[in-house]
Amino acid sequence: EVQVLESGGGLVQPGGSLRLSCAASGFTFSSYSMTWVRQAPGKGLEWVSSISGAADYTFYADSVKGRFAISRDNSKNTLYLQMNNLRAEDTALYYCAKAVLVLKDGLDAWGQGTLVTVSS
Amino acid sequence: QSALTQPPSASGSPGQSVTISCTGTSSDVGGYNSVSWFQQHPGKAPKLLISEVSKRPSGVPDRFSGSKSGNTASLTVSGLQAEDEGDYYCSSFGGSGSLVFGGGTKLTVL
Repeated sequence: EVQVLESGGGLVQPGGSLRLSCAASGFTFSSYSMTWVRQAPGKGLEWVSSISGAADYTFYADSVKGRFAISRDNSKNTLYLQMNNLRAEDTALYYCAKAVLVLKDGLDAWGQGTLVTVSS
Repeated sequence: QSALTQPPSASGSPGQSVTISCTGTSSDVGGYNSVSWFQQHPGKAPKLLISEVSKRPSGVPDRFSGSKSGNTASLTVSGLQAEDEGDYYCSSFGGSGSLVFGGGTKLTVL
């Protein structure tokens, strides 16, 4: 069974940093692009960042470019999101999602999300 | 990276059909056959209903169907059931490795 499980969320002050992790199982992790999507409380979905299977390509939304860094460790079947210089508007539930194959094909497996709250 | 446009709400009675639209531009919806639709129930993760405009993953009922014309994609839910109530989001590949979502549509089964 395909599963992705996020962790690492929490309360952080503005300007602080946080690292999210996403543990994957049930599929050949290195063969699939992976994506982070966030959802602010009561709001819609927002694409954050994506990474290719071999980690040779990374992509970011303008809202996080220069502050967030996506990475993956294919030997550990784990996806990461390093978030620096956090702002109040980054407060959201962060989902990890697996691509059908690559990003343009769609996202067919989602975790339950990890909550990030940026507040003083 | 502007959000795709969806109606904020839609509704229908059990057994009826309802169509939700998703309007973008030639840089996203109109430029790629890469539109997806997701269903989200309260407190739950999104679930993929449709990928690549009209492909249904295994396990998704054939009551759900997708189409696209120009810069507008559509999701049709036929034979509405109570469990179809929830939020629906479209997304499209936007080129240069980006993805853009719609603002979401709240579907109410009357």
